[in-house]
Amino acid sequence: GAVVSQHPSRVICKSGTSVKIECRSLDFQATTMFWYRQFPKKSLMLMATSNEGSKATYEQGVEKDKFLINHASLTLSTLTVTSAHPEDSSFYICSALPFLAGGGNEQFFGPGTRLTVL
Amino acid sequence: LAKTTQPISMDSYEGQEVNITCSHNNIATNDYITWYQQFPSQGPRFIIQGYKTKVTNEVASLFIPADRKSSTLSLPRVSLSDTAVYYCLVGDLVGRDDKIIFGKGTRLHILP
Repeated sequence: GAVVSQHPSRVICKSGTSVKIECRSLDFQATTMFWYRQFPKKSLMLMATSNEGSKATYEQGVEKDKFLINHASLTLSTLTVTSAHPEDSSFYICSALPFLAGGGNEQFFGPGTRLTVL
Repeated sequence: LAKTTQPISMDSYEGQEVNITCSHNNIATNDYITWYQQFPSQGPRFIIQGYKTKVTNEVASLFIPADRKSSTLSLPRVSLSDTAVYYCLVGDLVGRDDKIIFGKGTRLHILP
């Protein structure tokens, strides 16, 4: 099956620093990737839609200057949390939509990245 | 975007069949219905997807009535390892909708 990886799986950083999270589709190409954030005991909240070769589309309330998204290739999207603060601590999950979605109207999810900002 | 409504939580026992129903009254013609399973600190895992009638795979069945305003995920003979949150998603990633919004999900707790 289609595999999506995320790196790192967990990161601890000091307040004010920037953290980059990578999302890779390992065995398929994805023109569209999605970034979600999930707080404990809560559902996934869509942050932005990342399209290869174009600017990401951010959901209402998500600061584009704080959460920088770059979808540089058909297999890689990155999320950079700039000037991280403790309230940015969360579980970040990406998903990828295969290029040839065909009958598979299906996202494949990464394992998530646990960010802790001290 | 079609909004989904699921029970917040359910309890069942090992070996039982579990049915989780999801309401999606404003589902659009092109929308698919997809169910995901999520364990703590992991990304969601695809379970099953359907458009109408019944779909079955090695882990679950999905029942969709003719009006498509609801769907039921059926898990046969559950085990303790099926304790997880189950999300029902409705949308069309290929067509006019390019994103799918997660609802609150159903927290399933399997008891021994």
